[in-house]
Amino acid sequence: DQQVKQNSPSLSVQEGRISILNCDYTNSMFDYFLWYKKYPAEGPTFLISISSIKDKNEDGRFTVFLNKSAKHLSLHIVPSQPGDSAVYFCAASPYTGNQFYFGTGTSLTVIP
Amino acid sequence: SQTIHQWPATLVQPVGSPLSLECTVEGTSNPNLYWYRQAAGRGLQLLFYSVGIGQISSEVPQNLSASRPQDRQFILSSKKLLLSDSGFYLCAWRERPGGYTFGSGTRLTVV
Repeated sequence: DQQVKQNSPSLSVQEGRISILNCDYTNSMFDYFLWYKKYPAEGPTFLISISSIKDKNEDGRFTVFLNKSAKHLSLHIVPSQPGDSAVYFCAASPYTGNQFYFGTGTSLTVIP
Repeated sequence: SQTIHQWPATLVQPVGSPLSLECTVEGTSNPNLYWYRQAAGRGLQLLFYSVGIGQISSEVPQNLSASRPQDRQFILSSKKLLLSDSGFYLCAWRERPGGYTFGSGTRLTVV
């Protein structure tokens, strides 16, 4: 049972434009969320996080939005750069529990 | 600073052969350690996690096992590999509050 879903397997965006990556979850007990970026043959690297007490968190070009009522979060990258081309995973963790549940990833291609 | 080492980077093993992947962390004590797998076309799947020496929790029934012989060492093993064990294996540790730090991963191909 996939508790965290990324329904878009791929996304292409022009350099300089906004990239929006979406993530949906089903478990209302999730209260901490993360976005990771992964290049081929490398481990994931942490990008940005958000807890359920917030609905927005910004870090430079990256902003994560959380809509708890819709059980939806999104990652905005503005402006997009070719080096942002990678697979992006969202992950969620419940208030109690030790593990994160990951989505299947969205492959972002930023076209120069 | 905290670092995590994982080896080997790539591995090609025949079906039925044993497996041992090792992960060590530095710069932290009593970390929570994790083994994840990314199979082709799928997300990261938690396999095992450990909150201390000798303490292993398994998330997915399979022919893999994990051990934690020392505080900063986490080992993923199999007695007999299956074709379906092919994938990208990642070791990670977690600091609280916050997310994970991942190792560089091992690409395992079972032939």
